[in-house]
Amino acid sequence: KNEVEQSPQNLTAQEGEFITINCSYSVGISALHWLQQHPGGGIVSLFMLSSGKKKHGRLIATINIQEKHSSLHITASHPRDSAVYICAVLPFFGNEKLTFGTGTRLTIIP
Amino acid sequence: GAVVSQHPSWVICKSGTSVKIECRSLDFQATTMFWYRQFPKQSLMLMATSNEGSKATYEQGVEKDKFLINHASLTLSTLTVTSAHPEDSSFYICSARKLATSASSGANVLTFGAGSRLTVL
Repeated sequence: KNEVEQSPQNLTAQEGEFITINCSYSVGISALHWLQQHPGGGIVSLFMLSSGKKKHGRLIATINIQEKHSSLHITASHPRDSAVYICAVLPFFGNEKLTFGTGTRLTIIP
Repeated sequence: GAVVSQHPSWVICKSGTSVKIECRSLDFQATTMFWYRQFPKQSLMLMATSNEGSKATYEQGVEKDKFLINHASLTLSTLTVTSAHPEDSSFYICSARKLATSASSGANVLTFGAGSRLTVL
């Protein structure tokens, strides 16, 4: 079992739909990252969370430390949101090494 | 905001040649840089952790003589794939962690480069 599990693996939705991507992890962490990787490969760090909730534009990220679970939400989704979304955790013990989920491939259809 | 530049963004080389990839933090000093490798439709795999002025720490299974990492300054780390072979073809990504100058400066913020796609013929 991977230390970081994401669901769904693939998600296709219509423009405008509310999107939720989930991330569960099995180790104690000091922080969790949500990353966005576009088809060209470049990675953008969307959020770094250690508790609660963060919002940036149409993106919202939440984390529940007790349940070891985080969600990434996209409101009013747009085709330009199509990308792979990756959850990565920073374990308490790991010399600052991120452990990555396998990613969720999101496709938004116009 | 913090920006990491990675160069080249793509490179094609012949088998047996060496390729150098640069990772630069443009507007901040990075205490630590990380090098990752990503195969198609797979997650990122950490190859090594690079600290300025010291030897890189390689992950298990990564050949240090094959993937040479140099972190000569707080803004530059390089990955050299030596004697490249077709199986080294992959997407290589770096990330940089900002040097903390105060307790509230967000030292744990990681910034990723855009990646370098290596194709070895």
